[in-house]
Amino acid sequence: DAKTTQPNSMESNEEEPVHLPCNHSTISGTDYIHWYRQLPSQGPEYVIHGLTSNVNNRMASLAIAEDRKSSTLILHRATLRDAAVYYCILRGPLNTSGTYKYIFGTGTRLKVLA
Amino acid sequence: GAGVSQSPRYKVAKRGQDVALRCDPISGHVSLFWYQQALGQGPEFLTYFQNEAQLDKSGLPSDRFFAERPEGSVSTLKIQRTQQEDSAVYLCASSFRVAENTEAFFGQGTRLTVV
Repeated sequence: DAKTTQPNSMESNEEEPVHLPCNHSTISGTDYIHWYRQLPSQGPEYVIHGLTSNVNNRMASLAIAEDRKSSTLILHRATLRDAAVYYCILRGPLNTSGTYKYIFGTGTRLKVLA
Repeated sequence: GAGVSQSPRYKVAKRGQDVALRCDPISGHVSLFWYQQALGQGPEFLTYFQNEAQLDKSGLPSDRFFAERPEGSVSTLKIQRTQQEDSAVYLCASSFRVAENTEAFFGQGTRLTVV
């Protein structure tokens, strides 16, 4: 399974945009880039995913580099409720055993300052 | 409820005691995962079910850990003869499809403390 690299922590001011980077230089052509976040004392929560094109949803935007070796999760206006650990995960197709898994790293802990 | 439900939310076990953790996935979800999360770490994969079949148990740390999903819906993670190193949050997740563009839904987890 291809690995991802993220900064351990980032800070942002409330109501400002936040750009959370992720490097995945060994990504394969069929790997989707998924982002999850984990609020304190909660299970991880799906944020967004993409393959090649940039993606937008109500929570965030995902910008994917042209060579797909990196991506950036964009929160357009951070709020205090966005303080969480953000995980960038590569999700590939089923393996030869017909299985798959989500491999979490340590993620980026986002602190939002009021 | 519409989400993944786990019970109990908190469990304190004496060392050597057996515990059973329950996961109610979202109805109709094919895939079910169990993860273990130590304090300050990301979730670590334990096992994967596709319907009732346990297709991957490579992450189970020892033969004291056992998981089942007999009817392809509710799943139970059982830990026998608990040890202090088993203290962690145990997360369950489910997904409607196996395709790589499908999201997973996680429960709130069960926090297990072994004393």
